[in-house]
Amino acid sequence: QKEVEQNSGPLSVPEGAIASLNCTYSDRGSQSFFWYRQYSGKSPELIMSIYSNGDKEDGRFTAQLNKASQYVSLLIRDSQPSDSATYLCAVTFGNKLVFGAGTILRVKS
Amino acid sequence: ETGVTQTPRHLVMGMTNKKSLKCEQHLGHNAMYWYKQSAKKPLELMFVYSLEERVENNSVPSRFSPECPNSSHLFLHLHTLQPEDSALYLCASSHREFLDSQETQYFGPGTRLLVL
Repeated sequence: QKEVEQNSGPLSVPEGAIASLNCTYSDRGSQSFFWYRQYSGKSPELIMSIYSNGDKEDGRFTAQLNKASQYVSLLIRDSQPSDSATYLCAVTFGNKLVFGAGTILRVKS
Repeated sequence: ETGVTQTPRHLVMGMTNKKSLKCEQHLGHNAMYWYKQSAKKPLELMFVYSLEERVENNSVPSRFSPECPNSSHLFLHLHTLQPEDSALYLCASSHREFLDSQETQYFGPGTRLLVL
């Protein structure tokens, strides 16, 4: 069974702080990792992808991948209330994309 | 606007009704997907179509019937649904069914379905 695990939250952070979202996956052979943001009542929106060990930065977002530990994370710097959403981790297992249940993030002003 | 559209956006139906959900993608992709998203659960993959052929059916009850007339359009026909089928139904597309490295799926806005 291919699994992607996320803490459901909610994760509450004050405005301006760093939000750290974590994801673990069960298949050591997974190659591609994605973070989607989903606002309440809306569809998932791709915000970051990462394929190699290490960090990848895009604006206020940084994705971190550690394949040895089967762990991928998303850091959001200078968190804003508009970042409040559910963040879905998605991992490819072979040719299939498997989603985690998501972590709810709440940024309080 | 993601390039994947879905209609209707909201649907209320009784258990004896028949309705259809429509998805259209304008991205030139060859693979399309139906997902079900219930509250606090992971996205559940229902069907996968590649070049208009169904390549996956994840043990979905027969009251859900997909149709893919061409690579840009995908339908989900609904009949005799149950209240537990109430959920957000999401359509997605990707360039190909077999996801190459650095390829992912793009979602439509979803149809919020309520079965009474």
